[in-house]
Amino acid sequence: QKEVEQDPGPLSVPEGAIVSLNCTYSNSAFQYFMWYRQYSRKGPELLMYTYSSGNKEDGRFTAQVDKSSKYISLFIRDSQPSDSATYLCAMSVYGNNRLAFGKGNQVVVIP
Amino acid sequence: NAGVTQTPKFQVLKTGQSMTLQCAQDMNHNSMYWYRQDPGMGLRLIYYSASEGTTDKGEVPNGYNVSRLNKREFSLRLESAAPSQTSVYFCASSESSGRNTEAFFGQGTRLTVV
Repeated sequence: QKEVEQDPGPLSVPEGAIVSLNCTYSNSAFQYFMWYRQYSRKGPELLMYTYSSGNKEDGRFTAQVDKSSKYISLFIRDSQPSDSATYLCAMSVYGNNRLAFGKGNQVVVIP
Repeated sequence: NAGVTQTPKFQVLKTGQSMTLQCAQDMNHNSMYWYRQDPGMGLRLIYYSASEGTTDKGEVPNGYNVSRLNKREFSLRLESAAPSQTSVYFCASSESSGRNTEAFFGQGTRLTVV
């Protein structure tokens, strides 16, 4: 079993819809949870960063962490064509900078 | 604001050839990483360097070597390229403080081995 599981299936949604992405993980020591966004032919860039359980909101983006279920989510409200990208979850243990990545979800927002 | 710079951006190699991918960061980060990204496989860690003078194997190190030349530069070498090494390679860097693990990525090197 991989440390981080993310269903890599592509996701197409109409503009304005809510996008819901999630990852599960097996290592209970993970404390830092991140979502990276990667546009086509570009490097990943950090989108959201959360520590331990709870919610974090940044504009149209909400990240949720449920450590008891080992489950993290990213929600994108009022999705825009500019949100079309691959979204990768990542997580790490305190004191260890190695990030464990999910496989990524390709999201396409259709105008 | 260069951040993480990788060279070259594209490369085609013949099987058995060697090459070195260069990476430099200007953020004074201690930690640097090399990943490969393949369709359906996500980002896989090849090697990383927690600090200047140290390197460690990641998930898929076979066929690669690395050198942490100084704090800024971390190179990845393919001694005898194989078609299985066709991939997009990303270099990244991060601070080494316990709570800040944000990694900054370069733009990638697209490598094709024929």
